[in-house]
Amino acid sequence: AQRVTQPEKLLSVFKGAPVELKCNYSYSGSPELFWYVQYSRQRLQLLLRHISRESIKGFTADLNKGETSFHLKKPFAQEEDSAMYYCALSGTSYGKLTFGQGTILTVHP
Amino acid sequence: SQTIHQWPATLVQPVGSPLSLECTVEGTSNPNLYWYRQAAGRGLQLLFYSVGIGQISSEVPQNLSASRPQDRQFILSSKKLLLSDSGFYLCASLSRENTEAFFGQGTRLTVV
Repeated sequence: AQRVTQPEKLLSVFKGAPVELKCNYSYSGSPELFWYVQYSRQRLQLLLRHISRESIKGFTADLNKGETSFHLKKPFAQEEDSAMYYCALSGTSYGKLTFGQGTILTVHP
Repeated sequence: SQTIHQWPATLVQPVGSPLSLECTVEGTSNPNLYWYRQAAGRGLQLLFYSVGIGQISSEVPQNLSASRPQDRQFILSSKKLLLSDSGFYLCASLSRENTEAFFGQGTRLTVV
């Protein structure tokens, strides 16, 4: 089975504080993992993917196969980071793309 | 990049009426196509996906069906809507060359 779990529905931090959005997955093969973000009144869009190993808008995420996790981190949160964040997994050759339940991040001034 | 056209943006339908939501894709060919329902507290629930014309995989048993009559056209349908079909429906496309998924603007369906 292909499953993604985001344990936190809501996460609130103050501007400048570190933030970590948790994501755990279940997949028997080699997964491709992603973080998608939906800002207010905008379409859902890709934030970053694990194979790129890049930092986007200050966010990074490391795939930990031992812990089956792909947590999203940013050392200093900004108000404009407030959004809904989805962790996603693509693992099969059929292209099934599974999303977690999503985490609403609110960054307070 | 791809552009996903999804319509209508909002729809109010009576119980028992039929449904047809359409999604078309520009900027790629032979994509994987997806229908999701987005619900508060449940995230994005995958309803159907398609890896090619006429090929539909259903993820959850329900009152809905999907069809892909053309390479870049994906349709979500129902013969008779239920109140529980109300929700926000998203279409997405994923190309084989680039594993980034692109999303439509969504359709807010209210069944009354």
